[in-house]
Amino acid sequence: EIVLTQSPGTLSLSPGERATLSCRASQSISNSYLAWYQQKPGQAPRLLIYGASNRATGTPDRFSGSGSGTDFTLTISRLEPEDFAVYYCQQYVDSPRTFGQGTKLEIK
Amino acid sequence: QVQLVQSGVEVKNPGASVKVSCKASGYIFADYYIHWMRQAPGQGLEWMGWITPSSGVIGYAQKFQGRVTMTRDTSINTAYMEVSSLTSDDTAVYFCARGSASTGGGSLPFNYWGQGTLVTVSS
Repeated sequence: EIVLTQSPGTLSLSPGERATLSCRASQSISNSYLAWYQQKPGQAPRLLIYGASNRATGTPDRFSGSGSGTDFTLTISRLEPEDFAVYYCQQYVDSPRTFGQGTKLEIK
Repeated sequence: QVQLVQSGVEVKNPGASVKVSCKASGYIFADYYIHWMRQAPGQGLEWMGWITPSSGVIGYAQKFQGRVTMTRDTSINTAYMEVSSLTSDDTAVYFCARGSASTGGGSLPFNYWGQGTLVTVSS
C-alpha cells in the first residue's frame, strides 16, 4: 500500500499570500498518477489537479501542481478567500487507492 | 452532465446494516468504475473499494473485507454499498465517485463525486 504523508497539517496564511503544500509518497508513483482535491465543510471533495501537474476543468490558474516520483507539491500563488479549505493528495496508480491525511489551510 | 446522486441520511442501531445507493447519469454507467470512500467526523478520506458496473468485479480495501458488500444494478444505473455489523466507528459520511474507464485508457482520478450520505450509528 502506498502511504501518502502531507505537510504541514495546518497552514495559517492571509489572503494574497502564497501557499505551498507537500505530499510525500512511501514509494514512487508511476506515471505521476497523483491528484489534489479541495474540500470545504459539508461538501464532497473537488478535483483540482491530476497527473501531478494538470489542472482539472474549472481550476483557477493560481493553483499549480508539481513533482514526480515520491515528492509532490501543490502551490496556490495568491490566496483568495474561497481557497481556505482542506486539501488532500491521492494516488490513483495502485489499489488500494490512498489519500493523504489532509492539510487544513486556514485564515491567519 | 455527469451526476452521481446518493441516497439520504441514515440512522442505525449498533449491529444493524446500512445500504447506500449511488445513481449515475450523464454517461454510460457500465463504462466506468465506481469507488466508495468514507469520512468520519473531523477526519480524512478513507477509500473502501471499487466495483466495475459492466462485470460486477469488486475490489475491497483489506480493512473492509467481509463486512462491506458492493453491488450494482445496471438497469437503473445505480451502485450500492452495504456495511453490516455497524458500530459507532462506522459513523461517517459515505461518498461514491467515478473512477477509471473499465475499457482501458489509463487510470483516472475521481473527477465526479456523489454529494455524500451521512450514516449515524447510535443506540
